[in-house]
Amino acid sequence: DAKTTQPPSMDCAEGRAANLPCNHSTISGNEYVYWYRQIHSQGPQYIIHGLKNNETNEMASLIITEDRKSSTLILPHATLRDTAVYYCIVRVVRIGGYQKVTFGTGTKLQVIP
Amino acid sequence: GAVVSQHPSRVICKSGTSVKIECRSLDFQATTMFWYRQFPKQSLMLMATSNEGSKATYEQGVEKDKFLINHASLTLSTLTVTSAHPEDSSFYICSATPLAGALFFGPGTRLTVL
Repeated sequence: DAKTTQPPSMDCAEGRAANLPCNHSTISGNEYVYWYRQIHSQGPQYIIHGLKNNETNEMASLIITEDRKSSTLILPHATLRDTAVYYCIVRVVRIGGYQKVTFGTGTKLQVIP
Repeated sequence: GAVVSQHPSRVICKSGTSVKIECRSLDFQATTMFWYRQFPKQSLMLMATSNEGSKATYEQGVEKDKFLINHASLTLSTLTVTSAHPEDSSFYICSATPLAGALFFGPGTRLTVL
């Protein structure tokens, strides 16, 4: 399984865009990039995922580089409730549905008033 | 969106007792569920992969006889911590996925062993 590298922490001013980078240089062709976030003492919350095209939903945008070796999660207008640990993971889908997922250390995003 | 529930949300038990944690997918069938453990200020650590109708696959260093996993149906997996000790105190989180869909996580279970 490909590993991911993220900065340990970031600050963002409330109302500004938060751009969270992730490096996944060993990703293989059939692995998706997923983003989750975890607020203290809760289970991780799904944000967005993509294979190679940029994706957008009501929560965020995901920009994946053309070589797929890195991606950026964008929260367009960060609020205090977006303060959390953000995890970038890559997901293997094997024949038969076996889908092992491992987590890195994530980025702790602090949104500042 | 898809919902995964866990029960109980928190449990306190005495050392030496066993504790069962349930993980349910509420609106989809999950052929595969995962169990994670998270210690304070650390990331989620994968413990095992639970496959419906077959034995669980444990990660290296996780004792299968201590952490019993049963995935008896497409919507329920259980994790039993046998003979729990204080060092087993942790936040246990399950996740479930439809075959090719996103991975959804339960709210977690806080286990405290006295």
